[in-house]
Amino acid sequence: KAGVTQTPRYLIKTRGQQVTLSCSPISGHRSVSWYQQTPGQGLQFLFEYFSETQRNKGNFPGRFSGRQFSNSRSEMNVSTLELGDSALYLCATRTGANYGYTFGSGTRLTVV
Amino acid sequence: GQQLNQSPQSMFIQEGEDVSMNCTSSSIFNTWLWYKQDPGEGPVLLIALYKAGELTSNGRLTAQFGITRKDSFLNISASIPSDVGIYFCAGSSTTSGTYKYIFGTGTRLKVLA
Repeated sequence: KAGVTQTPRYLIKTRGQQVTLSCSPISGHRSVSWYQQTPGQGLQFLFEYFSETQRNKGNFPGRFSGRQFSNSRSEMNVSTLELGDSALYLCATRTGANYGYTFGSGTRLTVV
Repeated sequence: GQQLNQSPQSMFIQEGEDVSMNCTSSSIFNTWLWYKQDPGEGPVLLIALYKAGELTSNGRLTAQFGITRKDSFLNISASIPSDVGIYFCAGSSTTSGTYKYIFGTGTRLKVLA
């Protein structure tokens, strides 16, 4: 059974640009969540999608957005990048609401 | 953002020693999860707890769901070098009708051979 696949693994962008990250969940996992991980702030919840609808949202500015497709694959977009957006972005999927997450290996975003 | 208090923040131990770490919250949780993260990788689920007082083992790892539902504990027995990594707890509640998980700040474990 394939795991959670995140692409790309590494990304370098300049301030002001935008970026799109992709997550393909484990087959059968319809819930996809996104987390930002930084050394200082730990794992911060961005949003969760289920059946193409955003079900939960964290406390991030509107520059961070996401979507989910009918095949459960999800993308997150960050517009007008800032230096502070440099982080490991983790996608986590699960079969239903009260189940543990399976995480992908993450996308390491560096903003210069 | 909201986080759980996890302690200790870091610990150095000798190979073969037992390890204990805990997580506390000001809120009641319905589910507690424990994860381990290796450098450059995403967290991997170790143990999931769904009921107050529940004690669950996974090999040398044992975790408990606190009676008050505001805390959880993870113990590692007879540590080995590959136990090195960051351990995270995560809790979720349904008070808001959602199952959003909140993560602890992590315990960084280093094992001295």
